Amino acid sequence: TQLLEQSPQFLSIQEGENLTVYCNSSSVFSSLQWYRQEPGEGPVLLVTVVTGGEVKKLKRLTFQFGDARKDSSLHITAAQTGDTGLYLCAGPGNTGFQKLVFGTGTRLLVSP
Amino acid sequence: DAGVIQSPRHEVTEMGQEVTLRCKPISGHNSLFWYRQTMMRGLELLIYFNNNVPIDDSGMPEDRFSAKMPNASFSTLKIQPSEPRDSAVYFCASSPTGFGTGYTFGSGTRLTVV
Repeated sequence: TQLLEQSPQFLSIQEGENLTVYCNSSSVFSSLQWYRQEPGEGPVLLVTVVTGGEVKKLKRLTFQFGDARKDSSLHITAAQTGDTGLYLCAGPGNTGFQKLVFGTGTRLLVSP
Repeated sequence: DAGVIQSPRHEVTEMGQEVTLRCKPISGHNSLFWYRQTMMRGLELLIYFNNNVPIDDSGMPEDRFSAKMPNASFSTLKIQPSEPRDSAVYFCASSPTGFGTGYTFGSGTRLTVV
């Protein structure tokens, strides 16, 4: 079974701080995705990384895929209250169909 | 596009009652997924369909749960009889063919069984 472990589970910071969230697995993934889920809503896709070592930037968010394609990180610079939410990484399962395996999640709270 | 539409948004029911959750996927998406989310277990895949055909229902907890997709624009998840431990947020998601395109999730149905 492919598992994606995320750390930390919870993170509470002040506006303006930087933070990094990690997504780790013992399995190799062909790609990884990051989603953000705001309270009362479903997860929303932020980015897909597909190449080992790849770095993608989305405004203040920087996503990196590990060289061995077993891990990924999300770095947020100068966090804002609007960044509050549950961050989930996800990767394709090994069934041959487009079934995603979701990580355990990191719950981020950014206070003013 | 209105996105993935789920109904109802909230459902409160008594133990033993039948509950039906509904989902309208994005037009043109040929895969549909039902997930359950709780604080303890996170997002759990219950079942998914490809071209209206159930592909993997190994996540369905037990026989009390059933799902149908009679056509490309509609799916239901039914719980009969419902139990308090079924209380959770149920999400429907859809996606087009191929990895990398990501899922589009609905806003979920918050189910409370008392």
